[in-house]
Amino acid sequence: GQNIDQPTEMTATEGAIVQINCTYQTSGFNGLFWYQQHAGEAPTFLSYNVLDGLEEKGRFSSFLSRSKGYSYLLLKELQMKDSASYLCAVRDGGSYIPTFGRGTSLIVHP
Amino acid sequence: GAVVSQHPSWVICKSGTSVKIECRSLDFQATTMFWYRQFPKQSLMLMATSNEGSKATYEQGVEKDKFLINHASLTLSTLTVTSAHPEDSSFYICSANPTVNTEAFFGQGTRLTVV
Repeated sequence: GQNIDQPTEMTATEGAIVQINCTYQTSGFNGLFWYQQHAGEAPTFLSYNVLDGLEEKGRFSSFLSRSKGYSYLLLKELQMKDSASYLCAVRDGGSYIPTFGRGTSLIVHP
Repeated sequence: GAVVSQHPSWVICKSGTSVKIECRSLDFQATTMFWYRQFPKQSLMLMATSNEGSKATYEQGVEKDKFLINHASLTLSTLTVTSAHPEDSSFYICSANPTVNTEAFFGQGTRLTVV
């Protein structure tokens, strides 16, 4: 089985930087995903990490450390529209079906 | 990116009736699709894996006779909630991967309310 842990809720100020952490325990590892989900909508893909290090994509970056079972999503220059739930999802070894964490609800205020 | 379309977006039904939800891959073929359920402020919980031309694989605790899945073509999977009860009210989402190693693409989701 898998155990994925991320904070339930975070708040940040518009224009600031926020880091959302995700820790996981899996039997083997086959990639980690971050998704954004606005209330009442389906998740949209943000990033994919399978090797250690930082992946940067515009205002969003994602980091992975496989040895520590740890990832974070970094959001820069926060905008009000970034208020959403951010889901960490992990594929364990031998499977391409990800297991999702509970999600971190990010509230961006002016 | 790939497009997955889910219909309807929301549905209200009476207890005891059945509801069918469709999931279509619009620009790729999907031999496998996935059905999730999500309760408010909870994670996406995988219900079942839909396999084209064969039986679906259900996760532990999911009643296969209550949640009927049919994957009749390479672009369409359907989930039928039979004899719906208020506790079945939830957000149901499907997903599919164009290839095994790509990310999952999700349908728009279906908000089911059973009254």
